[in-house]
Amino acid sequence: GENVEQHPSTLSVQEGDSAVIKCTYSDSASNYFPWYKQELGKRPQLIIDIRSNVGEKKDQRIAVTLNKTAKHFSLHITETQPEDSAVYFCAASNPSGTYKYIFGTGTRLKVLA
Amino acid sequence: DARVTQTPRHKVTEMGQEVTMRCQPILGHNTVFWYRQTMMQGLELLAYFRNRAPLDDSGMPKDRFSAEMPDATLATLKIQPSEPRDSAVYFCASGREPGQPQHFGDGTRLSIL
Repeated sequence: GENVEQHPSTLSVQEGDSAVIKCTYSDSASNYFPWYKQELGKRPQLIIDIRSNVGEKKDQRIAVTLNKTAKHFSLHITETQPEDSAVYFCAASNPSGTYKYIFGTGTRLKVLA
Repeated sequence: DARVTQTPRHKVTEMGQEVTMRCQPILGHNTVFWYRQTMMQGLELLAYFRNRAPLDDSGMPKDRFSAEMPDATLATLKIQPSEPRDSAVYFCASGREPGQPQHFGDGTRLSIL
């Protein structure tokens, strides 16, 4: 069945360093890939997304890259700050199916001051 | 800033009781999703509606859970009878169209004693 693998499950970085989270999807028909940030006790919030006709997208300190051939996409956070500490979820959506999201299992990012 | 509204925010009840959670999707959104999350684990899809019609409820325990959309402004998730293992945070999300970003509500934190 459809599956999204996310790595690492936990990640600690020093403030100011970069963080990279990687996801691999199984359904080659997937064409929409959102990333959500969830702070403790809060709702998941969309931070960036990418569609399969684009290889990279950037928004200030965050960027997402997509490799359709390898079926993987990554979230890059540069110049990390303590407020970046949260759980990050990736997801993949297949428009030819039910359009539902298949979520990864999450990455807990800790930015150490 | 339009948001998905969920009620109640917190619910504590004894096992065996009926629990009803409500969601008001963002006006104009025609897809609605119910997710369950335990201890900051992954997001488990329970049910998915498009134009008020149920498209996928394969993730929902059918014997005790039910989901409905009586109208375009209200989605409900019911548990009857409730069990301690149902304790979790239940999120509702809505999207403008299939394949478009999903926006999450603040969740209902459910505790079954």
